[in-house]
Amino acid sequence: SAVISQKPSRDICQRGTSLTIQCQVDSQVTMMFWYRQQPGQSLTLIATANQGSEATYESGFVIDKFPISRPNLTFSTLTVSNMSPEDSSIYLCSVERASEQFFGPGTRLTVL
Amino acid sequence: EDQVTQSPEALRLQEGESSSLNCSYTVSGLRGLFWYRQDPGKGPEFLFTLYSAGEEKEKERLKATLTKKESFLHITAPKPEDSATYLCAVRGSQGNLIFGKGTKLSVKP
Repeated sequence: SAVISQKPSRDICQRGTSLTIQCQVDSQVTMMFWYRQQPGQSLTLIATANQGSEATYESGFVIDKFPISRPNLTFSTLTVSNMSPEDSSIYLCSVERASEQFFGPGTRLTVL
Repeated sequence: EDQVTQSPEALRLQEGESSSLNCSYTVSGLRGLFWYRQDPGKGPEFLFTLYSAGEEKEKERLKATLTKKESFLHITAPKPEDSATYLCAVRGSQGNLIFGKGTKLSVKP
């Protein structure tokens, strides 16, 4: 398994501001993933973060809106930029280990 | 297009009343079907991975099975602590996980 922590666990933000979410893993991993879980919807992959290279974004997600950093093999950040109420969601960090994928506890974001 | 559909959306059971959750999928080149449990306010907790039709896996009161078109999560004699949302996901040839919307299970004492 994998032990994954995220900060903050929740936040309430004003429209137009940005929030950076941190993800820490208990041991080194090659790829880290960022997902979004909107109310009543499936988990949706935002991007894949590899250490030492730019993140790979899925269709519908862009770097300007969701910049990602991956400074080392155990840590990543996701920034939600210029937020609007439509960005209210749970954001989840995930890692793959031995062909199985594990998730962090999530960050619940509310944008007013 | 890869797709995962879970049914029912919600299921209410009495304690001890066994039932099954369904996960139907369409994927090119299945590289694994995953079941997760998610409690309110928490991230998904990994339960099982199935790779080929006919495969079965068990954990306590849960048993997952797989065919070429669908997977079932059987819950035997459920308890209130089994109440959660159960998520199904598939990994196809693209490598990414495609999730269903989940089944919210409530078990009443």
